Amino acid sequence: AQSVAQPEDQVNVAEGNPLTVKCTYSVSGNPYLFWYVQYPNRGLQFLLKYITGDNLVKGSYGFEAEFNKSQTSFHLKKPSALVSDSALYFCAVRDMGEGNTGKLIFGQGTTLQVKP
Amino acid sequence: EPEVTQTPSHQVTQMGQEVILRCVPISNHLYFYWYRQILGQKVEFLVSFYNNEISEKSEIFDDQFSVERPDGSNFTLKIRSTKLEDSAMYFCASSAGGQPQHFGDGTRLSIL
Repeated sequence: AQSVAQPEDQVNVAEGNPLTVKCTYSVSGNPYLFWYVQYPNRGLQFLLKYITGDNLVKGSYGFEAEFNKSQTSFHLKKPSALVSDSALYFCAVRDMGEGNTGKLIFGQGTTLQVKP
Repeated sequence: EPEVTQTPSHQVTQMGQEVILRCVPISNHLYFYWYRQILGQKVEFLVSFYNNEISEKSEIFDDQFSVERPDGSNFTLKIRSTKLEDSAMYFCASSAGGQPQHFGDGTRLSIL
């Protein structure tokens, strides 16, 4: 079965410092990977995806993610964190099983806290 | 930018009552989904819908749940006889096939 793990419940970083939010996955076949962000009382907002190609994927708001096949990881990164980046971040993998309905399987989420 | 819209934003219902959660997906999207998020837990898939029929449903999506696309724009989730454990945020999502899913802001369902 396909799964996603986010090992950290919370990540704290000072404004201006680089940030990393970790994600590992387990899939059969090639993964379709996504990062979403959720602000309070809002839905999930798409940040970036990896389907194929370059291992470093660039997305919205200066975020990027690095796909590492050997480590089965897809960590979210940003060179310089902003206080406004504070939110809940979800890693997800698209289910490519039988039927291929495109459903997303989410990690448990990581709260990012950026302090001024 | 087009958005997925969900109504109501908050629904409070007595246990055993029926509720209908409404969604208007992005107009040119063909794939529709419902997910739920129990407070403090991960987002879970409920059901996917394509070509006017359910394409996949999870174990959570039992006989008390149903979905419908009654016209060309709305996509609804009905819970026939609500239970306390149905209390959660329910998110609708849509996609244009192979593209990222776009999510609405959710309906917070509170069962008393």
